[in-house]
Amino acid sequence: GAVVSQHPSRVICKSGTSVKIECRSLDFQATTMFWYRQFPKQSLMLMATSNEGSKATYEQGVEKDKFLINHASLTLSTLTVTSAHPEDSSFYICSAVKGISNTEAFFGQGTRLTVV
Amino acid sequence: ELKVEQNPLFLSMQEGKNYTIYCNYSTTSDRLYWYRQDPGKSLESLFVLLSNGAVKQEGRLMASLDTKARLSTLHITAAVHDLSATYFCAVGNDYKLSFGAGTTVTVRA
Repeated sequence: GAVVSQHPSRVICKSGTSVKIECRSLDFQATTMFWYRQFPKQSLMLMATSNEGSKATYEQGVEKDKFLINHASLTLSTLTVTSAHPEDSSFYICSAVKGISNTEAFFGQGTRLTVV
Repeated sequence: ELKVEQNPLFLSMQEGKNYTIYCNYSTTSDRLYWYRQDPGKSLESLFVLLSNGAVKQEGRLMASLDTKARLSTLHITAAVHDLSATYFCAVGNDYKLSFGAGTTVTVRA
């Protein structure tokens, strides 16, 4: 398998502040990473596709200015929740694709964000 | 838009008995995944199914795929308590995944 590490695993922040979540592929290079959001007892919703060296592609309804994604290297993508509101509280999960011929996307352990 | 329907959403299993979770999807996809999620945790990959008729088994779990019917099943044999979790199927192209709503499984003695 492959390891995808997400940091932090839990974060509590005040309304109006920004929070950065990191997603790292530890033992492989990932040209593409994905960010998902999961509300309690619900499924995962794709937020955006993060491509190394280019702008992220956001799904319909996801505010790109609120959820800033940067994929500066082949092993790191970051999601910054700007001007956080309590409604942004959620479980955020990233996944990374190992290679063109690989059939799997590997998931990070998730970040529980609570905005107070 | 790719839609994925999973049922049942909740499944109370009795230890030792067999059960099936169903996953229907709306449009052609090149792969189907099954994942397990424990409370507060991320996703654990169970199976990747790539072709029509594909069947994979791991322990008490067996997954199959019928691309013509756009249906995948996750069969649980002789349920045990350890299998209590939420199970998701996901379908996608180019690794962009659309997830089913999830099936929360509780195994009771």
